[in-house]
Amino acid sequence: DVKVTQSSRYLVKRTGEKVFLECVQDMDHENMFWYRQDPGLGLRLIYFSYDVKMKEKGDIPEGYSVSREKKERFSLILESASTNQTSMYLCASSRPGQTTYEQYFGPGTRLTVT
Amino acid sequence: KQEVTQIPAALSVPEGENLVLNCSFTDSAIYNLQWFRQDPGKGLTSLLLIQSSQREQTSGRLNASLDKSSGRSTLYIAASQPGDSATYLCAVRQRSGNTGKLIFGQGTTLQVKP
Repeated sequence: DVKVTQSSRYLVKRTGEKVFLECVQDMDHENMFWYRQDPGLGLRLIYFSYDVKMKEKGDIPEGYSVSREKKERFSLILESASTNQTSMYLCASSRPGQTTYEQYFGPGTRLTVT
Repeated sequence: KQEVTQIPAALSVPEGENLVLNCSFTDSAIYNLQWFRQDPGKGLTSLLLIQSSQREQTSGRLNASLDKSSGRSTLYIAASQPGDSATYLCAVRQRSGNTGKLIFGQGTTLQVKP
């Protein structure tokens, strides 16, 4: 079974802190994604990576950056956390290619910024 | 711009009923459509993936259909059980623009009463 894990289930941070959310997958997938999920807005893509050190912006990249130094690990970084970044963050991975492969999701990290 | 809509937003049924969840999308140029299940506070579990060339996929009591030309998909759940209570999300992977991401509907929250 594909396994996508996220470093924390729940996280509470203060405004202005630098926050790291970690995601690890064990299936040697090239593609990895970070989404955020908010009531009434659904899931929105923040960033995705299609290879080590490669990244592309999604729909809402402002206030976020990412790092992919190893194939299995994709980190989401909030440089200076703000209250409007309070959300559920979901990581996903998939094999490369555009037509065939499904995305597998991690359990999510519920981030609260106070 | 691709938009994905799910109707109804919420559904409550007695145990044992067969039910249909609906998903519609505005741009038929898609690679595939994926149905997910999300339990409260948890990540997404992939249920079924339908390629654009396919008409339906089945897994156990679940059957998903795809009519790409009309921009519709349905998820049929046979003999519903209380354990089926969750939010069901559909998502499309489109051919144009940023093809790496999934575009999600808002979800249908299902409650199956014993």
